[in-house]
Amino acid sequence: AQKITQTQPGMFVQEKEAVTLDCTYDTSDQSYGLFWYKQPSSGEMIFLIYQGSYDEQNATEGRYSLNFQKARKSANLVISASQLGDSAMYFCAMREGRNTGNQFYFGTGTSLTVIP
Amino acid sequence: GAVVSQHPSWVICKSGTSVKIECRSLDFQATTMFWYRQFPKQSLMLMATSNEGSKATYEQGVEKDKFLINHASLTLSTLTVTSAHPEDSSFYICSARIGSYNEQFFGPGTRLTVL
Repeated sequence: AQKITQTQPGMFVQEKEAVTLDCTYDTSDQSYGLFWYKQPSSGEMIFLIYQGSYDEQNATEGRYSLNFQKARKSANLVISASQLGDSAMYFCAMREGRNTGNQFYFGTGTSLTVIP
Repeated sequence: GAVVSQHPSWVICKSGTSVKIECRSLDFQATTMFWYRQFPKQSLMLMATSNEGSKATYEQGVEKDKFLINHASLTLSTLTVTSAHPEDSSFYICSARIGSYNEQFFGPGTRLTVL
């Protein structure tokens, strides 16, 4: 089974509008971390936001927020007030367990295009 | 945030040659580094986990004799693609972890083209 599933290969959003990128995950671990990364056309992976499995509050970082629904095993990224510079690939990732050396599992990504 | 560099950022080589890619953590010591491969419009595929001073752990299906990984110090890991072929053309990304930090810090990637 896929550890991370991103069902939206491509999304379009109007500038200044909000957009939600979907992510579901599969794990039997009680302790895990969920991440979102942005990858612009340059290729570098830019860390956006992190949510720990024991965090009771949804994570927020500026215009990014993570809608964490533990029972549904979903960790959707919400981008508010979209900007043209937000156009990029977005990857959801998960690290299982507490060991900081544990690998990340990445989803297949969502390509976001912001329309002026 | 922490910075990870990769060198070279892009390389073009002839089929049959070997290519070395360096991954450096610039302002921290990374006990663990990861090497990923990414084909166009696809996700990152973990190739191997590199721990300083020990042999790398390769993912299933990744040829360890073809993709040689050396993690000689806490700030440097290298990936050598030996006898490269056109099918090895890809985007290679490394990442590093700091101690108990949750996130990985990614390098900017190396685009390899084998002619």
